Amino acid sequence: AQSVTQPDIHITVSEGASLELRCNYSYGATPYLFWYVQSPGQGLQLLLKYFSGDTLVQGIKGFEAEFKRSQSSFNLRKPSVHWSDAAEYFCAVGGNTDKLIFGTGTRLQVFP
Amino acid sequence: DAGVIQSPRHEVTEMGQEVTLRCKPISGHNSLFWYRQTMMRGLELLIYFNNNVPIDDSGMPEDRFSAKMPNASFSTLKIQPSEPRDSAVYFCASSFTGYSNQPQHFGDGTRLSIL
Repeated sequence: AQSVTQPDIHITVSEGASLELRCNYSYGATPYLFWYVQSPGQGLQLLLKYFSGDTLVQGIKGFEAEFKRSQSSFNLRKPSVHWSDAAEYFCAVGGNTDKLIFGTGTRLQVFP
Repeated sequence: DAGVIQSPRHEVTEMGQEVTLRCKPISGHNSLFWYRQTMMRGLELLIYFNNNVPIDDSGMPEDRFSAKMPNASFSTLKIQPSEPRDSAVYFCASSFTGYSNQPQHFGDGTRLSIL
């Protein structure tokens, strides 16, 4: 069965610092992987997606993620965090069904 | 292009009342998903439709919940009778083709409070 684990419930970083949010998945074949961001009072917005090919994918707002099959991971990174990046981040995995399986989310707090 | 549109944005009602949440998917998308988000349970998939047909309703909590998609541009999620434990944010999302290699696009949600 598909599953997604986001081990960090809450992360705090200083503005300008680098960021890495962890995501581990369980899936028997090559998964389709997504990162979404949710700002307060809003829906989930797609940051980036991985289907195949280059394992380093670029997304919106300066985010990138790297697919590592050997580690079953799809970690999200940003070299320099801005205060506006404070939000909740969700990793999701899909496969040969219509459903996406979402992780429990990581709340990012950014200090000035 | 307009995104997924949900209405109302907020709903406050008393226990026992019927609640209807509405969703207009992105034009051209043929899959529609209803989710519920709470602090305790996170984001849960309730039901999804492909080409207006319900495909999987295994996430629907109980018979008090029902969903319809009468046409490609409209869906409703109904709770009757409502209970305080139904209080949550309900999201609608849509995607193209229904295969999970296509990203889902979310509406801004309906924040439901049952008193």
